[in-house]
Amino acid sequence: EAGVVQSPRYKIIEKKQPVAFWCNPISGHNTLYWYLQNLGQGPELLIRYENEEAVDDSQLPKDRFSAERLKGVDSTLKIQPAELGDSAVYLCASSLDPGSGQYFGPGTRLLVL
Amino acid sequence: QKEVEQDPGPLSVPEGAIVSLNCTYSNSAFQYFMWYRQYSRKGPELLMYTYSSGNKEDGRFTAQVDKSSKYISLFIRDSQPSDSATYLCAMSARTGANNLFFGTGTRLTVIP
Repeated sequence: EAGVVQSPRYKIIEKKQPVAFWCNPISGHNTLYWYLQNLGQGPELLIRYENEEAVDDSQLPKDRFSAERLKGVDSTLKIQPAELGDSAVYLCASSLDPGSGQYFGPGTRLLVL
Repeated sequence: QKEVEQDPGPLSVPEGAIVSLNCTYSNSAFQYFMWYRQYSRKGPELLMYTYSSGNKEDGRFTAQVDKSSKYISLFIRDSQPSDSATYLCAMSARTGANNLFFGTGTRLTVIP
């Protein structure tokens, strides 16, 4: 069974530039999560989707971050414009349903210069 | 105070040792407890998933939950160099809103 796929794996951009991350969850997983992981810290939830509906985006900085999950499968997370403090690893996870264990992708490592 | 506290380590042990990793938490509503293993430059990998208090064993790994003390543990028996990774505890309050709260992770090195 294929795991959670994320791309790109690495991204280097200059501040104020836009950037987008893509995630394809495990087949059949209805719940999709985006997390932010800073160095030496655990992941922190940005947004959670149930199918195509964003059911918890309270931690998403909406002034610069946006996300979508069209057709309830793959998802895109965007930052515009990026700031130096956005440098981190962006992880995508999926689960069969809200009560099941979450399975993570390899993450996208973002460096903002 | 963070909701989940975890000693970041680093922790170094010789091969074959028993490893004990721990987390404490403050939110008594947490009922679901997980341990993830994260290798360098990889995403977290789910190791153990437990509900409420008690023990769960899977091969060389044993997870313990003591809700009365708000304390969870992961034991690794016969540790191997391949166990060298960062171990993250995570927990959530209820299935309907499975937002996980993670510890900072403990970095473990098993020395051959």
